[in-house]
Amino acid sequence: GNSVTQMEGPVTLSEEAFLTINCTYTATGYPSLFWYVQYPGEGLQLLLKATKADDKGSNKGFEATYRKETTSFHLEKGSVQVSDSAVYFCALLYSGGSNYKLTFGKGTLLTVNP
Amino acid sequence: DAGVTQSPTHLIKTRGQQVTLRCSPKSGHDTVSWYQQALGQGPQFIFQYYEEEERQRGNFPDRFSGHQFPNYSSELNVNALLLGDSALYLCASSSVRAGGSTDTQYFGPGTRLTVL
Repeated sequence: GNSVTQMEGPVTLSEEAFLTINCTYTATGYPSLFWYVQYPGEGLQLLLKATKADDKGSNKGFEATYRKETTSFHLEKGSVQVSDSAVYFCALLYSGGSNYKLTFGKGTLLTVNP
Repeated sequence: DAGVTQSPTHLIKTRGQQVTLRCSPKSGHDTVSWYQQALGQGPQFIFQYYEEEERQRGNFPDRFSGHQFPNYSSELNVNALLLGDSALYLCASSSVRAGGSTDTQYFGPGTRLTVL
């Protein structure tokens, strides 16, 4: 079945450091890929998405590129801020046949210190 | 433009009781999905409703049921609550593309259910 594997956290960085959170997936066919962010006590917010191979999603300084050859969708940011502290979830949506659900990774907790 | 809304925000119940959670989708969306997020875990898919019918169901027992209304809003019902049902329940809305696939899902703030 479909699955998502994220690097385990927690990840602790200093402000202005470079961020990478690894995400790889297993899926039949060509899913759409997403990064969602969850701030403490809140629901999930869509951060960025990519719907086909080699697409790059970007938002708020975050980027991720859909790599079909390595089945990966790693999240990067050049300079993190304290306000980026949150849990980040990688997810896939494979809308093939009668499958309409998002499959999530376990999440990666990011803490950015001033 | 209102996003996805959920009510109530928090709920405390005791074992064996029944609970109903509510969700209103984002304007223009016709599909509602429900997810359960246990503490420290990623969300797990419960089911999806489209055209007032359950379109897909995850690995949850029959104690979990739902409904979608003609205005696209939805309810999640859980009967005979167990301690293990304590979680954040998330509603996500989306629209159906031509061909029947589901577009990007947008989440509400969630309902925190505590079962004592």
